[in-house]
Amino acid sequence: SQKIEQNSEALNIQEGKTATLTCNYTNYSPAYLQWYRQDPGRGPVFLLLIRENEKEKRKERLKVTFDTTLKQSLFHITASQPADSATYLCALTPSDSSYKLIFGSGTRLLVRP
Amino acid sequence: NAGVTQTPKFRILKIGQSMTLQCAQDMNHNYMYWYRQDPGMGLKLIYYSVGAGITDKGEVPNGYNVSRSTTEDFPLRLELAAPSQTSVYFCASTTFSGTGVDFGSGTQLSVL
Repeated sequence: SQKIEQNSEALNIQEGKTATLTCNYTNYSPAYLQWYRQDPGRGPVFLLLIRENEKEKRKERLKVTFDTTLKQSLFHITASQPADSATYLCALTPSDSSYKLIFGSGTRLLVRP
Repeated sequence: NAGVTQTPKFRILKIGQSMTLQCAQDMNHNYMYWYRQDPGMGLKLIYYSVGAGITDKGEVPNGYNVSRSTTEDFPLRLELAAPSQTSVYFCASTTFSGTGVDFGSGTQLSVL
């Protein structure tokens, strides 16, 4: 079956450290992979998109990597701050169904001061 | 731009009632989506549309219907509401595939 898996356990890190979140997928061939931030009671907010032929994408303190061999994307936040505490969702667009956007269940990040 | 606007923000339904969740966007986006999010879970795709007059089923379409008569509006219809439809519903839109998606603020629906 097709799955997008993110760590269900919260990631708890110290301020200033790098947070690394994982997104694994099974039986998908993604054309694009995206990362979103969601705060409690709010809708998700788009952060970064990476294409199947890209290895890495950066935006300020954020970095996304995409390994189609491992079927995995990693999302990094460097110099993390308490304000980065939120749930982070990965989502992919299958190459055989380019109109869809399918989400993982998200990982909660807690950054301690 | 107001972005993606969802109404109502909250609603309580009785089992068997029907209702329509409204979604409108003013960004001239072609692609629109409806998701539901259960507590502590990710988003499940209910229906999506690639333009006026074109809709298709997502991962969990049963119990829902949609229509897209204009580019701006994408209402979601619940017929014969059931407790399993208690959830937060998000509408979203984007220009085309391969770009980030804009979300509305959600509708919290309880079916009792």
